[in-house]
Amino acid sequence: KNEVEQSPQNLTAQEGEFITINCSYSVGISALHWLQQHPGGGIVSLFMLSSGKKKHGRLIATINIQEKHSSLHITASHPRDSAVYICAVQTGTASKLTFGTGTRLQVTL
Amino acid sequence: DVKVTQSSRYLVKRTGEKVFLECVQDMDHENMFWYRQDPGLGLRLIYFSYDVKMKEKGDIPEGYSVSREKKERFSLILESASTNQTSMYLCASSPRYTEAFFGQGTRLTVV
Repeated sequence: KNEVEQSPQNLTAQEGEFITINCSYSVGISALHWLQQHPGGGIVSLFMLSSGKKKHGRLIATINIQEKHSSLHITASHPRDSAVYICAVQTGTASKLTFGTGTRLQVTL
Repeated sequence: DVKVTQSSRYLVKRTGEKVFLECVQDMDHENMFWYRQDPGLGLRLIYFSYDVKMKEKGDIPEGYSVSREKKERFSLILESASTNQTSMYLCASSPRYTEAFFGQGTRLTVV
C-alpha cells in the first residue's frame, strides 16, 4: 500500500463545475503539499499546509490531521485548470516529499 | 521569482553512456533534490542534498550518483545508462521547512 493515496485517478468535468480531489496518507507528517503539473512537465506548488484550510483564488485546500486526509477543491472550473494534481507529504524537518500518483483533471467547455 | 533550471528538456543517450543532468537554482536554497517520474508510480526521490558537498540517498539511488560542489548546482550522474533509466527527471530546490520549487524536467530516453 502506498503511503499517499489519491482519488480519483482521472476526472473529467465541464466548465463551471465544482471539483474535489482527495488525498489520504498513512504516516505522521509535518506538512502536506498540493502541486500542479501541466503537459510538458513543469510542476508548480499550489499549497503547503499543516492544519486547517488555505485559499488562493478559486483553489481551496483543507487538511484533517486526525483523519490523515486532505482535499483540494476547485470552484468554477475552467479548461485552463486541466492538469495533473499531485498530493505530497513531508515527514520530519527535512523537505523530503513522498508523492501520490496524481489525479489527471480535464475540464471541457 | 525563484528559478530552477535544468540543462536539457529532452535527451537521447545510448546504453552504457555516462550521462550528466545539471540543475541550477538562483535563490540560495539549502536543499536540492533529484526525482524521477514514471507513469503509475509518481515521483520518486533519487538523491537529495541539504548543503554543499552533502548528499543522501533517496528511495531509488541504484545506478545514480550526484555531485554538489557549489550551493546553486546539483548534478545527477548516470554512470552507465540503461534502458530502464528512460524517464522524466525533475530537479527541485527549497529553503528549509518550506515549499519546493521544481525545474521543467528532462525527458531522458536511453536507446
